[in-house]
Amino acid sequence: QKEVEQNSGPLSVPEGAIASLNCTYSDRGSQSFFWYRQYSGKSPELIMSIYSNGDKEDGRFTAQLNKASQYVSLLIRDSQPSDSATYLCAVMDSSYKLIFGSGTRLLVRP
Amino acid sequence: GAVVSQHPSWVICKSGTSVKIECRSLDFQATTMFWYRQFPKQSLMLMATSNEGSKATYEQGVEKDKFLINHASLTLSTLTVTSAHPEDSSFYICSAEPAGGPGVNEQFFGPGTRLTVL
Repeated sequence: QKEVEQNSGPLSVPEGAIASLNCTYSDRGSQSFFWYRQYSGKSPELIMSIYSNGDKEDGRFTAQLNKASQYVSLLIRDSQPSDSATYLCAVMDSSYKLIFGSGTRLLVRP
Repeated sequence: GAVVSQHPSWVICKSGTSVKIECRSLDFQATTMFWYRQFPKQSLMLMATSNEGSKATYEQGVEKDKFLINHASLTLSTLTVTSAHPEDSSFYICSAEPAGGPGVNEQFFGPGTRLTVL
């Protein structure tokens, strides 16, 4: 069964720090990877997509992908209290379906 | 751009009744829409994939006769929960993939519909 694993957290960081969120996946054939942010009671919001090995930066967010290790991460620089949310890692499998991890809850302390 | 709406945002119904949820892509055409369900403190679980003009593809364990999906146009998909029961109470979220081929574009999510069955 295809799986996406995330630490449920909560991950607590002080305001201004770097938050590092990690995700591993089991389907070696996966080619597309996504990070979504979900606030309580709301639907997921796409933050980043990454398709090739290496880093991809967008503002305060950096996604990192290592297909050999089946590992994808999200770094949030200069974390703000408004970043407090659950971050969902999603992997598109070979049949183009998104498989979601259970999410990591991030708490940014003022 | 890439806005997806859902209606209603929340609904309360009696056990045994049917509920229809609409998902619309407002500023793009979507050949494929997806329906997810999320129980409290759990992640999103894909229920079915909806393709315009063809029958939906349901995930294992999802009853197609209970969750009726219609993708009538490139901007509208509907999910009807038939004979709803309290265990169907959940957060139902749709997403839409802009036309351009599978696996190329991101999925954009609607705001979700919270269903409570009494």
